[in-house]
Amino acid sequence: AQSVSQHNHHVILSEAASLELGCNYSYGGTVNLFWYVQYPGQHLQLLLKYFSGDPLVKGIKGFEAEFIKSKFSFNLRKPSVQWSDTAEYFCAVNAHSNYQLIWGAGTKLIIKP
Amino acid sequence: DSGVTQTPKHLITATGQRVTLRCSPRSGDLSVYWYQQSLDQGLQFLIQYYNGEERAKGNILERFSAQQFPDLHSELNLSSLELGDSALYFCASSVGQGYRDTEAFFGQGTRLTVV
Repeated sequence: AQSVSQHNHHVILSEAASLELGCNYSYGGTVNLFWYVQYPGQHLQLLLKYFSGDPLVKGIKGFEAEFIKSKFSFNLRKPSVQWSDTAEYFCAVNAHSNYQLIWGAGTKLIIKP
Repeated sequence: DSGVTQTPKHLITATGQRVTLRCSPRSGDLSVYWYQQSLDQGLQFLIQYYNGEERAKGNILERFSAQQFPDLHSELNLSSLELGDSALYFCASSVGQGYRDTEAFFGQGTRLTVV
Protein backbone atom coordinates (compact mmCIF):
# COMPACT_ATOMS: atom_id res chain seq x y z
CA ALA A 1 0.00 0.00 0.00
CA GLN A 2 1.08 3.53 -0.65
CA SER A 3 2.32 5.49 2.33
CA VAL A 4 3.89 8.82 3.15
CA SER A 5 6.37 9.27 5.97
CA GLN A 6 7.19 12.51 7.68
CA HIS A 7 10.00 11.64 10.01
CA ASN A 8 9.87 14.62 12.33
CA HIS A 9 6.63 15.02 14.25
CA HIS A 10 7.79 18.10 16.13
CA VAL A 11 10.46 20.60 15.18
CA ILE A 12 11.47 23.63 17.23
CA LEU A 13 13.68 26.28 15.68
CA SER A 14 14.76 29.81 16.42
CA GLU A 15 13.94 32.64 14.04
CA ALA A 16 16.35 32.92 11.11
CA ALA A 17 17.31 29.24 11.34
CA SER A 18 17.16 27.12 8.22
CA LEU A 19 14.42 24.53 7.89
CA GLU A 20 14.24 21.16 6.22
CA LEU A 21 11.28 18.85 6.75
CA GLY A 22 11.54 15.35 5.39
CA CYS A 23 8.94 13.55 3.33
CA ASN A 24 9.31 10.09 1.84
CA TYR A 25 6.73 8.09 -0.01
CA SER A 26 6.36 4.52 -1.11
CA TYR A 27 5.11 4.18 -4.64
CA GLY A 28 7.07 3.23 -7.70
CA GLY A 29 5.00 4.94 -10.37
CA THR A 30 4.36 8.52 -11.40
CA VAL A 31 3.23 10.79 -8.61
CA ASN A 32 2.08 14.30 -7.86
CA LEU A 33 3.53 15.74 -4.67
CA PHE A 34 2.19 18.41 -2.37
CA TRP A 35 3.05 20.29 0.77
CA TYR A 36 0.17 21.82 2.69
CA VAL A 37 0.35 24.07 5.73
CA GLN A 38 -2.15 24.48 8.54
CA TYR A 39 -1.68 27.61 10.64
CA PRO A 40 -3.14 27.50 14.15
CA GLY A 41 -6.92 27.52 13.99
CA GLN A 42 -7.03 27.65 10.22
CA HIS A 43 -7.73 25.33 7.31
CA LEU A 44 -5.11 23.58 5.26
CA GLN A 45 -3.70 25.55 2.38
CA LEU A 46 -1.34 24.63 -0.41
CA LEU A 47 2.30 25.63 0.01
CA LEU A 48 3.63 24.12 -3.18
CA LYS A 49 3.14 21.23 -5.58
CA TYR A 50 5.11 19.17 -8.04
CA PHE A 51 3.53 17.59 -11.10
CA SER A 52 6.38 17.38 -13.60
CA GLY A 53 9.40 19.27 -14.90
CA ASP A 54 11.97 21.01 -12.71
CA PRO A 55 12.30 18.93 -9.54
CA LEU A 56 13.01 22.06 -7.50
CA VAL A 57 9.69 23.68 -6.82
CA LYS A 58 9.17 27.10 -5.30
CA GLY A 59 6.09 27.85 -3.28
CA ILE A 60 4.60 30.66 -1.28
CA LYS A 61 6.27 32.47 1.60
CA GLY A 62 9.80 31.53 0.57
CA PHE A 63 9.33 27.78 0.80
CA GLU A 64 10.76 25.35 -1.72
CA ALA A 65 10.88 21.60 -2.10
CA GLU A 66 13.02 19.23 -4.09
CA PHE A 67 11.73 16.05 -5.66
CA ILE A 68 14.40 13.35 -5.69
CA LYS A 69 12.87 10.45 -7.55
CA SER A 70 15.65 7.99 -6.73
CA LYS A 71 15.12 8.60 -3.03
CA PHE A 72 11.31 8.81 -3.19
CA SER A 73 11.62 12.07 -1.31
CA PHE A 74 10.08 15.53 -1.46
CA ASN A 75 11.70 17.53 1.33
CA LEU A 76 10.50 21.00 2.23
CA ARG A 77 13.04 23.76 2.83
CA LYS A 78 13.21 27.37 3.84
CA PRO A 79 16.52 29.20 4.29
CA SER A 80 15.40 31.46 7.12
CA VAL A 81 12.25 30.84 9.13
CA GLN A 82 10.07 33.42 10.80
CA TRP A 83 7.89 33.25 13.87
CA SER A 84 4.85 33.36 11.54
CA ASP A 85 5.91 30.01 10.05
CA THR A 86 4.71 28.29 13.22
CA ALA A 87 2.21 25.78 11.85
CA GLU A 88 1.68 22.13 11.01
CA TYR A 89 3.06 20.98 7.69
CA PHE A 90 1.67 18.06 5.74
CA CYS A 91 3.21 16.22 2.84
CA ALA A 92 0.81 14.47 0.47
CA VAL A 93 1.24 12.23 -2.53
CA ASN A 94 -1.16 11.38 -5.32
CA ALA A 95 -0.30 8.40 -7.45
CA HIS A 96 -1.39 8.81 -11.03
CA SER A 97 -3.08 5.44 -10.82
CA ASN A 98 -5.79 6.57 -8.40
CA TYR A 99 -7.67 9.59 -7.14
CA GLN A 100 -6.64 9.47 -3.52
CA LEU A 101 -4.26 11.83 -1.84
CA ILE A 102 -2.14 9.96 0.70
CA TRP A 103 -1.12 12.15 3.61
CA GLY A 104 1.82 12.13 5.93
CA ALA A 105 1.22 12.41 9.67
CA GLY A 106 2.27 16.05 9.70
CA THR A 107 5.11 17.96 11.33
CA LYS A 108 4.38 20.55 13.96
CA LEU A 109 6.83 23.40 13.56
CA ILE A 110 7.34 25.88 16.37
CA ILE A 111 9.47 28.95 15.79
CA LYS A 112 10.83 30.65 18.87
CA PRO A 113 10.95 34.44 18.54
CA ASP B 1 -10.84 32.43 2.18
CA SER B 2 -10.63 29.21 0.15
CA GLY B 3 -14.14 29.45 -1.24
CA VAL B 4 -15.17 26.17 0.41
CA THR B 5 -17.88 26.64 3.02
CA GLN B 6 -18.53 24.24 5.83
CA THR B 7 -21.38 24.40 8.32
CA PRO B 8 -21.67 24.31 11.22
CA LYS B 9 -18.29 25.43 12.54
CA HIS B 10 -18.81 23.74 15.88
CA LEU B 11 -21.09 20.94 16.94
CA ILE B 12 -21.52 19.38 20.36
CA THR B 13 -23.67 16.30 20.64
CA ALA B 14 -24.18 13.25 22.82
CA THR B 15 -23.07 9.69 22.22
CA GLY B 16 -25.48 7.68 20.15
CA GLN B 17 -26.77 10.68 18.26
CA ARG B 18 -26.64 11.44 14.54
CA VAL B 19 -25.33 14.63 12.94
CA THR B 20 -25.02 16.03 9.44
CA LEU B 21 -22.12 18.15 8.30
CA ARG B 22 -22.51 20.26 5.20
CA CYS B 23 -19.99 21.39 2.60
CA SER B 24 -20.39 23.78 -0.30
CA PRO B 25 -17.49 23.47 -2.75
CA ARG B 26 -15.88 26.32 -4.66
CA SER B 27 -17.86 27.48 -7.65
CA GLY B 28 -17.02 25.21 -10.59
CA ASP B 29 -15.41 22.44 -8.53
CA LEU B 30 -16.91 19.03 -9.21
CA SER B 31 -14.98 16.98 -6.66
CA VAL B 32 -15.60 17.02 -2.94
CA TYR B 33 -13.45 15.23 -0.38
CA TRP B 34 -14.09 14.61 3.29
CA TYR B 35 -11.34 14.26 5.87
CA GLN B 36 -11.23 13.58 9.58
CA GLN B 37 -8.46 15.12 11.65
CA SER B 38 -7.95 13.90 15.18
CA LEU B 39 -5.05 14.10 17.59
CA ASP B 40 -4.38 10.39 17.62
CA GLN B 41 -5.12 9.49 13.99
CA GLY B 42 -3.90 12.57 12.18
CA LEU B 43 -5.47 13.52 8.85
CA GLN B 44 -7.55 10.67 7.46
CA PHE B 45 -9.22 10.62 4.06
CA LEU B 46 -12.82 9.48 4.36
CA ILE B 47 -14.50 9.68 0.98
CA GLN B 48 -14.56 11.51 -2.34
CA TYR B 49 -17.42 12.41 -4.65
CA TYR B 50 -17.17 13.59 -8.21
CA ASN B 51 -20.18 15.19 -9.85
CA GLY B 52 -22.61 13.35 -7.63
CA GLU B 53 -20.99 9.95 -7.73
CA GLU B 54 -18.80 8.28 -5.16
CA ARG B 55 -15.28 8.13 -6.57
CA ALA B 56 -13.01 6.88 -3.82
CA LYS B 57 -13.37 5.59 -0.31
CA GLY B 58 -10.85 5.82 2.45
CA ASN B 59 -11.04 5.01 6.14
CA ILE B 60 -14.73 5.73 6.47
CA LEU B 61 -16.65 3.85 9.14
CA GLU B 62 -19.89 2.08 8.27
CA ARG B 63 -21.68 4.43 10.69
CA PHE B 64 -20.66 7.30 8.43
CA SER B 65 -22.13 8.07 5.04
CA ALA B 66 -21.96 10.90 2.58
CA GLN B 67 -23.60 12.13 -0.57
CA GLN B 68 -23.18 14.86 -3.14
CA PHE B 69 -26.30 16.56 -4.40
CA PRO B 70 -27.11 17.86 -7.91
CA ASP B 71 -26.07 21.37 -6.88
CA LEU B 72 -22.71 19.78 -5.89
CA HIS B 73 -22.91 20.50 -2.19
CA SER B 74 -22.12 17.51 -0.03
CA GLU B 75 -23.25 16.20 3.33
CA LEU B 76 -21.44 13.87 5.68
CA ASN B 77 -23.74 11.94 8.00
CA LEU B 78 -22.32 10.54 11.20
CA SER B 79 -24.54 8.22 13.22
CA SER B 80 -24.40 6.26 16.47
CA LEU B 81 -21.74 8.70 17.55
CA GLU B 82 -19.00 7.63 19.92
CA LEU B 83 -16.59 9.67 21.99
CA GLY B 84 -13.82 8.71 19.59
CA ASP B 85 -15.60 10.43 16.72
CA SER B 86 -14.74 13.79 18.24
CA ALA B 87 -12.52 15.43 15.64
CA LEU B 88 -12.19 18.18 13.10
CA TYR B 89 -13.93 17.25 9.86
CA PHE B 90 -12.63 18.96 6.76
CA CYS B 91 -14.16 19.21 3.37
CA ALA B 92 -12.05 19.98 0.32
CA SER B 93 -12.95 20.56 -3.30
CA SER B 94 -11.12 20.50 -6.58
CA VAL B 95 -12.01 21.01 -10.20
CA GLY B 96 -11.32 17.57 -11.53
CA GLN B 97 -11.69 13.91 -10.84
CA GLY B 98 -8.83 13.73 -8.44
CA TYR B 99 -5.76 15.57 -7.37
CA ARG B 100 -4.13 15.00 -10.73
CA ASP B 101 -3.02 18.37 -12.01
CA THR B 102 -5.40 20.16 -9.70
CA GLU B 103 -5.18 21.73 -6.31
CA ALA B 104 -7.57 20.88 -3.50
CA PHE B 105 -9.01 23.77 -1.52
CA PHE B 106 -10.01 23.15 2.06
CA GLY B 107 -12.83 24.53 4.13
CA GLN B 108 -12.41 25.78 7.68
CA GLY B 109 -13.69 22.52 9.10
CA THR B 110 -16.41 21.48 11.50
CA ARG B 111 -15.25 20.71 15.01
CA LEU B 112 -17.37 17.88 16.36
CA THR B 113 -17.36 17.16 20.07
CA VAL B 114 -19.17 14.07 21.28
CA VAL B 115 -19.93 14.07 25.00
